Amino acid sequence: GAGVSQSPRYKVAKRGQDVALRCDPISGHVSLFWYQQALGQGPEFLTYFQNEAQLDKSGLPSDRFFAERPEGSVSTLKIQRTQQEDSAVYLCASSPRVGTGGIYSNQPQHFGDGTRLSIL
Amino acid sequence: AQKVTQAQTEISVVEKEDVTLDCVYETRDTTYYLFWYKQPPSGELVFLIRRNSFDEQNEISGRYSWNFQKSTSSFNFTITASQVVDSAVYFCALGTGNTPLVFGKGTRLSVIA
Repeated sequence: GAGVSQSPRYKVAKRGQDVALRCDPISGHVSLFWYQQALGQGPEFLTYFQNEAQLDKSGLPSDRFFAERPEGSVSTLKIQRTQQEDSAVYLCASSPRVGTGGIYSNQPQHFGDGTRLSIL
Repeated sequence: AQKVTQAQTEISVVEKEDVTLDCVYETRDTTYYLFWYKQPPSGELVFLIRRNSFDEQNEISGRYSWNFQKSTSSFNFTITASQVVDSAVYFCALGTGNTPLVFGKGTRLSVIA
């Protein structure tokens, strides 16, 4: 498809298990973002890739969270030893890269449908 | 630090009424970018508009219009003649070249037929 694709759509895991969430961005989009959205809240930034380089991971809440984009296209967000507070919707977004003088583009981000993660 | 405030948590209007969603932002950067996104029940955020800090011209797109005022750090969104399909959560967001997007908490709009 032409949009950002995320899988799985829903994931239920027991506390302590590891999970992996996948994001397939729009073809050709250099920038890729991960966000966490708690119920009733706005998306909160987790991490940012420009091609395969992870330029900002300041939003990752703990060292249990790890993201990669090894070939500059598909990205995986991994959460180790999941805890109940990890329950949220995880959103992926991509955008073309247009220079702003900084590392972030000013282009609109295109979002996927998200993965709803529930930790029991 | 960047901050976005959407003071209206929920708004309910009757179809065909006009409605304005408020957005107030804080930043020390002189160059920044403001966005509005729509999140329908399906969950995907849909881009509506981007405004650069150096462009204060207001914009109209069909039933949608945006009022950007740097003097009050506001970027308000008005829907004219609302429709049931406008029911969604609307987010305002702020970004710069060196900081990721910061979103407000959103305003849930319910349009009743």
